[in-house]
Amino acid sequence: DTGVSQDPRHKITKRGQNVTFRCDPISEHNRLYWYRQTLGQGPEFLTYFQNEAQLEKSRLLSDRFSAERPKGSFSTLEIQRTEQGDSAMYLCASSFLQTGNTIYFGEGSWLTVV
Amino acid sequence: AQRVTQPEKLLSVFKGAPVELKCNYSYSGSPELFWYVQYSRQRLQLLLRHISRESIKGFTADLNKGETSFHLKKPFAQEEDSAMYYCALTRAGGTSYGKLTFGQGTILTVHP
Repeated sequence: DTGVSQDPRHKITKRGQNVTFRCDPISEHNRLYWYRQTLGQGPEFLTYFQNEAQLEKSRLLSDRFSAERPKGSFSTLEIQRTEQGDSAMYLCASSFLQTGNTIYFGEGSWLTVV
Repeated sequence: AQRVTQPEKLLSVFKGAPVELKCNYSYSGSPELFWYVQYSRQRLQLLLRHISRESIKGFTADLNKGETSFHLKKPFAQEEDSAMYYCALTRAGGTSYGKLTFGQGTILTVHP
């Protein structure tokens, strides 16, 4: 499969626990994005990487959120001390840095905080 | 600040009827506009972008900078067009290209 893959696809966790999501982009893509989507809303930008460098973070990304892309390939998004408001779909996307290139999305990771 | 507005959350048409999904945006710079589609149980995927000026699956969209709109149109809707449609924009060129701002989406249902 040459698409963007995300793991796990579903996660149920208790409030206060930490969770980590993984994203594997399309192999030659050097840009990787994280978005969050809540019910009834469009995806909202969280952060993006160019290779291993995290170039921008949204104000939506509180201190409890951290994203890494240590070798410029896969990325992880960790949420510490989860809150019920963190329940959402976390989408990863990737692209090749070149204006006009398509941004490809993964299937997302559903998080439910109980 | 940039903003994308899709005024209709739900849109229902009958097969063979024309369909128009509305999208308005506000952006101070030079935007690039997209339509993304999500079919049932599938991932979000690009339908078309304004710079390509192409027709995909019979859909077209024209960027109207005067009215700051990017409406999606199809003259004859098909049942397989039923899906969630998102309008999105990014800054054309520059380092933040690919950082997308999405509208809330429109659920299109095409009845037989």
